[in-house]
Amino acid sequence: GAVVSQHPSWVICKSGTSVKIECRSLDFQATTMFWYRQFPKQSLMLMATSNEGSKATYEQGVEKDKFLINHASLTLSTLTVTSAHPEDSSFYICSATPRGSDTEAFFGQGTRLTVV
Amino acid sequence: LAKTTQPISMDSYEGQEVNITCSHNNIATNDYITWYQQFPSQGPRFIIQGYKTKVTNEVASLFIPADRKSSTLSLPRVSLSDTAVYYCLVVRGKLIFGQGTTLQVKP
Repeated sequence: GAVVSQHPSWVICKSGTSVKIECRSLDFQATTMFWYRQFPKQSLMLMATSNEGSKATYEQGVEKDKFLINHASLTLSTLTVTSAHPEDSSFYICSATPRGSDTEAFFGQGTRLTVV
Repeated sequence: LAKTTQPISMDSYEGQEVNITCSHNNIATNDYITWYQQFPSQGPRFIIQGYKTKVTNEVASLFIPADRKSSTLSLPRVSLSDTAVYYCLVVRGKLIFGQGTTLQVKP
């Protein structure tokens, strides 16, 4: 089956530093990847849509200069949390949609970010 | 994008069949209905997807009436390991998650 891998699974960083999270589709090409954030006991909140070779589209209220998204290839998208603060601590999840489909999405295992 | 509404929580016992209903009154012609399962600190896992009538796979069935304004996920003979949050999504392009249904399976 289709596999999406996120790295790292968890990360602790100091306030003010930047953290990069990778999302890879291992066995398919993904023209579109999505980034979500999930706080405890809440649902997933879509942050941005990432299309290969073009700028990401951010949802309302998500700071594009703080959450930098790069989708450089059909199998890799990265989310960089810049100048992280404790309130950025959350569970970040990516999903990838296979090329040619707009109804399927496969999710990574998530990345737990803790900013201290 | 069509909004979905589902119960916030449900309780069941091991061995019972569980049915979770989701309403999506504004579903569009090209939209598919997809259900995901999520365990704590994990990404959502695909369960089943359908467009109309009934779809069955090795883990669940999905019932969709003719008007497609609702759908029901059926989990046969649940076990403790089925305790999770279940999300119903109407999919066309990006996936917007609603509140989900927290299913608690008791021994």
